[in-house]
Amino acid sequence: KNEVEQSPQNLTAQEGEFITINCSYSVGISALHWLQQHPGGGIVSLFMLSSGKKKHGRLIATINIQEKHSSLHITASHPRDSAVYICAVSPGNQFYFGTGTSLTVIP
Amino acid sequence: DAGVIQSPRHEVTEMGQEVTLRCKPISGHDYLFWYRQTMMRGLELLIYFNNNVPIDDSGMPEDRFSAKMPNASFSTLKIQPSEPRDSAVYFCASSLSPPGFYEQYFGPGTRLTVT
Repeated sequence: KNEVEQSPQNLTAQEGEFITINCSYSVGISALHWLQQHPGGGIVSLFMLSSGKKKHGRLIATINIQEKHSSLHITASHPRDSAVYICAVSPGNQFYFGTGTSLTVIP
Repeated sequence: DAGVIQSPRHEVTEMGQEVTLRCKPISGHDYLFWYRQTMMRGLELLIYFNNNVPIDDSGMPEDRFSAKMPNASFSTLKIQPSEPRDSAVYFCASSLSPPGFYEQYFGPGTRLTVT
């Protein structure tokens, strides 16, 4: 049973394209996290949100609590955005992770 | 702050050997998490501590795995005896309390290979 589902699993885009990665979850949550893992392996927290929308540079994250769905958008994508993007939800102190979306942005 | 520090960064060992992974959380963070990442299963939470006390170890695969946090600035994850299926990247992360409301900061990970 997967508490967190991400789509697509893999995504290839041309530089400059607008990208959307989706995350659906089945548990009640206190917060949803978007993580970025670069090819070198390091994991960075991009966003933590419990409602509405957050923006950081070219990245935008939205969440709809009623529909149990979140999206991560990247505007004007760049090759350096190539990474695995992981959605994680926390119902209290536990964490459930999606399997990640592997993004490749081609120059 | 130097961030979450893990050592070693890479570990290669033979089946049956004891392996100890180390983590130093960010100062002031009172939650510490140990994760394992494999291609097959992705990221999995193994165990987490709050104020040095283990809170939930339901993710620990079996008795061969043990974790300790003797003080606020140090934690270990031990595998004894190690098996090839333990090969993975092990991440340590820390956060402020409560973790569901604060972002987690990840260490660089320890890549473990058991031959």
